Amino acid sequence: DTAVSQTPKYLVTQMGNDKSIKCEQNLGHDTMYWYKQDSKKFLKIMFSYNNKELIINETVPNRFSPKSPDKAHLNLHINSLELGDSAVYFCATGGRMNNEQFFGPGTRLTVL
Amino acid sequence: SQQGEEDPQALSIQEGENATMNCSYKTSINNLQWYRQNSGRGLVHLILIRSNEREKHSGRLRVTLDTSKKSSSLLITASRAADTASYFCATDISDYKLSFGAGTTVTVRA
Repeated sequence: DTAVSQTPKYLVTQMGNDKSIKCEQNLGHDTMYWYKQDSKKFLKIMFSYNNKELIINETVPNRFSPKSPDKAHLNLHINSLELGDSAVYFCATGGRMNNEQFFGPGTRLTVL
Repeated sequence: SQQGEEDPQALSIQEGENATMNCSYKTSINNLQWYRQNSGRGLVHLILIRSNEREKHSGRLRVTLDTSKKSSSLLITASRAADTASYFCATDISDYKLSFGAGTTVTVRA
């Protein structure tokens, strides 16, 4: 069983479109995260949810809207996609605050 | 801005050699973690060292932490081709928030 799964793995879309990335974890962790990794491999936190509540929103444009329907899922919806949104997006979970995090395989988003 | 910075950016070594990479950070921390990322994959946690610890070992990995210098090092001994990856340090800069550096890309030549 994959601990943290993301779908899709690849996403190619046109500017202006709306897309969603889904994340599921089976580790029973309370906290889930979305990260963005750019072409230079900088990994930057976007959002953090704890028990389905938004804890951190790192000044991400409001075109990005995370949704956590339950503790096992954290989805990311992106409206009006822009070229600069092209990156790899990682979902992650953590059991205890600021301890080890478990990452999903990533979703490579390419905006044309 | 990124909290942690790894040095060097890239490292190429022969199989069997040791690889050392460093991480510097800016603010006080509770712990520092190292992660590995293989090409096209997610990050995998390697080791966590707490601010009151100076050294920690896990298999072929040795991590040191010097809080007075705000720096950490990761040593991989007797490297193998499978160690080829990018290595990231991460610091807990606030609750529920880790800050990652840009990573050190390690290539192990057969």
